[in-house]
Amino acid sequence: EDKVVQSPLSLVVHEGDTVTLNCSYEVTNFRSLLWYKQEKKAPTFLFMLTSSGIEKKSGRLSSILDKKELFSILNITATQTGDSAIYLCAVSRSGTYKYIFGTGTRLKVLA
Amino acid sequence: DAGITQSPRHKVTETGTPVTLRCHQTENHRYMYWYRQDPGHGLRLIHYSYGVKDTDKGEVSDGYSVSRSKTEDFLLTLESATSSQTSVYFCAINQGGTEAFFGQGTRLTVV
Repeated sequence: EDKVVQSPLSLVVHEGDTVTLNCSYEVTNFRSLLWYKQEKKAPTFLFMLTSSGIEKKSGRLSSILDKKELFSILNITATQTGDSAIYLCAVSRSGTYKYIFGTGTRLKVLA
Repeated sequence: DAGITQSPRHKVTETGTPVTLRCHQTENHRYMYWYRQDPGHGLRLIHYSYGVKDTDKGEVSDGYSVSRSKTEDFLLTLESATSSQTSVYFCAINQGGTEAFFGQGTRLTVV
């Protein structure tokens, strides 16, 4: 059975801190891993990762995939209160385009 | 924002009544999905569609049926609503090989 596990489940930090969110997975015929940010409404896309060791970066956010160890991390540097959200990780397998999500990490950034 | 509209946005219904949620897209994407989101469970796939009249079950499909008679519309039906189906329901679309885009969600309460 495909599985996606995110850790920690929740995290409280202060503005300016750096955080690392983890996503490990077990999936047959892995295709891609995606990260989403969810504030009050719909999840919004952050990154898609398909190859090991290639960092994706957008501003203060970055992510990398390790296909050998079956995990990905999402880093946020110099956190701001606007980074407070649930961060979701999802994986898809070849041939189906079904996305299996983890339970998410709830991040709260205090001013 | 991707052209996805969910209706209704909020609904309160009684146990045992049928309920249909609608997802409408203007992007002509091939793949459409219904997820439910509950505290502690993240996003769980109910059903998805890979084309008109082509659908498949997700991980929590019991008690739900779907139909897709046109590319742009994906309907989710609860044949006889139960309190355990109280949740936030998200529709998503995907063209294949890319990220999924989410609708704004439907909050369903079964009393």
